Amino acid sequence: KAGVTQTPRYLIKTRGQQVTLSCSPISGHRSVSWYQQTPGQGLQFLFEYFSETQRNKGNFPGRFSGRQFSNSRSEMNVSTLELGDSALYLCASSLRLPLTDTQYFGPGTRLTVL
Amino acid sequence: ELKVEQNPLFLSMQEGKNYTIYCNYSTTSDRLYWYRQDPGKSLESLFVLLSNGAVKQEGRLMASLDTKARLSTLHITAAVHDLSATYFCAVTSNTGNQFYFGTGTSLTVIP
Repeated sequence: KAGVTQTPRYLIKTRGQQVTLSCSPISGHRSVSWYQQTPGQGLQFLFEYFSETQRNKGNFPGRFSGRQFSNSRSEMNVSTLELGDSALYLCASSLRLPLTDTQYFGPGTRLTVL
Repeated sequence: ELKVEQNPLFLSMQEGKNYTIYCNYSTTSDRLYWYRQDPGKSLESLFVLLSNGAVKQEGRLMASLDTKARLSTLHITAAVHDLSATYFCAVTSNTGNQFYFGTGTSLTVIP
């Protein structure tokens, strides 16, 4: 069974631009969560989606948004990029609700903002 | 905001030795997770602990949860080099709608 895939794997943007990251969960998984990892702030929870609905959201500004499609694929969008948005963005899928179920992580998208 | 602290932050141990990583959190939570991350790689889910007293074991790793003490431990038995990685714990808030990670423990197992 294919694992979680994320595209693109690497991305370079400049301040003020916007970016969209994509995550395809494991087939049959209905839940997708997103995380940001930086050396300074560590791992932080961004959002959780289940059956196309955002169930939970971390403490990030409104510039960070996401959505989930009917095939469970998810996208994350960051508008008006700032230097501090440079990070590894990880998505994870789980069969059911992620907060009680094992999560499977994708390889991540490394975003660099110049 | 819920705080999650791990100690030690860095751990260097010899092969064959035992050691424990500690994860303390600041407010009530009855769900705790352990993850492993190899350098330059993504996260791998190790354990999901869903109740007080939960204990789970996989190979040389055993995780436990004490919700009253707000403490989880990850015990490593007879360490081998392949266990070298960074280990993270994470908890949900008591409302169940936020997810907080610890700072991570970087483990190096020396032959």
